[in-house]
Amino acid sequence: QVQLQESGPGLMKPSETLSLTCTVSGVSISSGGYLWTWIRQHPGKGLEYVGYIYYSGTTYYSPSLKSRVSISRDTPRNTFTLKLLSLTAADTAVYYCARGATDSVMALDSWGQGTLVTVSP
Amino acid sequence: SSELTQDPAVSVALGQTVRITCQGDTLKTYYANWYQQRPGQAPVLVIFGKNNRPSGIPDRFSGSNSGNTASLTITGAQAEDEADFYCNSRDSSGNHLLFGGGTKLTVL
Repeated sequence: QVQLQESGPGLMKPSETLSLTCTVSGVSISSGGYLWTWIRQHPGKGLEYVGYIYYSGTTYYSPSLKSRVSISRDTPRNTFTLKLLSLTAADTAVYYCARGATDSVMALDSWGQGTLVTVSP
Repeated sequence: SSELTQDPAVSVALGQTVRITCQGDTLKTYYANWYQQRPGQAPVLVIFGKNNRPSGIPDRFSGSNSGNTASLTITGAQAEDEADFYCNSRDSSGNHLLFGGGTKLTVL
């Protein structure tokens, strides 16, 4: 059974760089058929796509965040990491990592519990 | 446009049937997926693709598609179904994910 767990700082200052790691257990992130995503949710708001990394290492980022975001992976540790540059208060959100299928529907079938990141001076 | 539109709120009487809809041009090309999110919890996939339920999802949840509209139907809504529901699909490029704004379901 696949499990995902986010980790990282809960409080950041404006202009800093956020680094969040998702630790995956139960399946190798380099095994075919999956993509590994980051989704965020602003307080009281809906879900927002941030980006994902394929099992092959190819990455895609939300057009609205592309200039500030990067996703990388550490296959021996079976983790993938989100970096978000130049934080502002608007980046305050719960950040989720999730597993998606690489088929046409791209359903996200397993999610981490989420981690709240607050950006405040 | 690459957007998915949902009604902000829907209500249903206990035991009755409710349909939650999601509209967007990309749904003419790609199926929608549906997620349930209870307060304070992570989203859970309830329907994916044409009309598929992950293991453990009750069969009162079903999905359908017509043109640019995807629908999630709950037949015989239960109190525990009260939650926010989100649709998602690929965008027009096929490379990115889209989410609808979410529908808050109240079970009366």
